[in-house]
Amino acid sequence: DTGVSQDPRHKITKRGQNVTFRCDPISEHNRLYWYRQTLGQGPEFLTYFQNEAQLEKSRLLSDRFSAERPKGSFSTLEIQRTEQGDSAMYLCASSSGQGGSPLHFGNGTRLTVT
Amino acid sequence: QQQVKQSPQSLIVQKGGISIINCAYENTAFDYFPWYQQFPGKGPALLIAIRPDVSEKKEGRFTISFNKSAKQFSLHIMDSQPGDSATYFCAASGDAGNMLTFGGGTRLMVKP
Repeated sequence: DTGVSQDPRHKITKRGQNVTFRCDPISEHNRLYWYRQTLGQGPEFLTYFQNEAQLEKSRLLSDRFSAERPKGSFSTLEIQRTEQGDSAMYLCASSSGQGGSPLHFGNGTRLTVT
Repeated sequence: QQQVKQSPQSLIVQKGGISIINCAYENTAFDYFPWYQQFPGKGPALLIAIRPDVSEKKEGRFTISFNKSAKQFSLHIMDSQPGDSATYFCAASGDAGNMLTFGGGTRLMVKP
């Protein structure tokens, strides 16, 4: 169990550019979650997957945000046409999916939009 | 109705003292209440969680107290240590823990 891995740890981009983040969950976990955390705030739920199925995506912040988990293993979160307000920490978490199983968070990708 | 309100925003406690952090929620559909600890540069890590069928849960120095009628729950850290200095988040969920709603966080500093 190497934990949830996120790449890159830091990303600096210019406004208007597209960015993609990757998350590798704990290997036996079939649920994968994306959260966003702005400075001084608690994480905010964005979306989650059960295997390759995206079960909830209504909380994605705008249509510029999209997530995929094509083979039910790793996941990507893409932000198109980035804006300065997108600057935040993007956290990925995974769980076994059994009732009340805890979420294990990665250390996040910090995005700075200049 | 999705909010979870957490207080205080910051807390300073002497080593060996008791740290108390409080949370309140509105959504009566919430049925899972975890507490997370976060160190700078790290993701949140689950400390302890409770469901509303019990009023208290203790794990080591950490205790959750839950008041269903008041829609409030709190975290007590006994014998607080400098290594406990971190940001603590309460959270709540109504769907077996999938879509957590987090409080705003409490930055705890334990002075030696």
